[in-house]
Amino acid sequence: EIVLTQSPGTLSLSPGERATLSCRASQSVTSSYFAWYQQKPGQAPRLLIYNTSSRATGIPDRFSGTGSGTDFTLTISRLEPEDFAVYYCHHYGTSPRTFGQGTKVEIK
Amino acid sequence: EVQVVESGGDLVKTGGSLRLSCAASGFTVSNAWMNWVRQAPGKGLEWVGRIKSKNDGGTADYAAPVKGRFTISRDDSKNTLYLQMDSLKIEDTAVYYCSGGSPGDVWGQGTTVTVSS
Repeated sequence: EIVLTQSPGTLSLSPGERATLSCRASQSVTSSYFAWYQQKPGQAPRLLIYNTSSRATGIPDRFSGTGSGTDFTLTISRLEPEDFAVYYCHHYGTSPRTFGQGTKVEIK
Repeated sequence: EVQVVESGGDLVKTGGSLRLSCAASGFTVSNAWMNWVRQAPGKGLEWVGRIKSKNDGGTADYAAPVKGRFTISRDDSKNTLYLQMDSLKIEDTAVYYCSGGSPGDVWGQGTTVTVSS
């Protein structure tokens, strides 16, 4: 099983700032099968990024994904008030698929 | 509109069984890879299992904690996905989400399963 470890656990930032979230895999992940989700309290997760760097439908371009091998990054270029949430990385190649434990982006 | 709606969550005793449903609209379940993901109270997302599209073989895979106890199936006539959960444990308590696609990009609102002793 591929273990995904996200860092930091919590990111305290102000609106307008840049957020950089990391996800490290315990073994190499095929870039075609790596995604990021956003989840707000009481809501279902929302797909942001798939195939490491492709934005899902309707996702603004302030969200970007990069990475390869075992290291992946989600960047939010300028935080908007609606971006404060929990973010999860996810690999969906080989089974079992797994999620990272999440990074909470909170208002500073 | 493309959507999925989960149902079937309930309070059940340890060792019991429950079947969750995921009714899809706007797309055909048999043509999609479908997933079940759960979230225990106050915790992160946990992948439960997925079933491939019929064209890709229709087989299902499961996470280790549920393998042998949970079964994913489809009813094409009802365009509905199911999660049969047997031998339920306290640690199966969670909100269960169904999602369509690979990765899942169509999610329902979830259905709550509570397992008590």
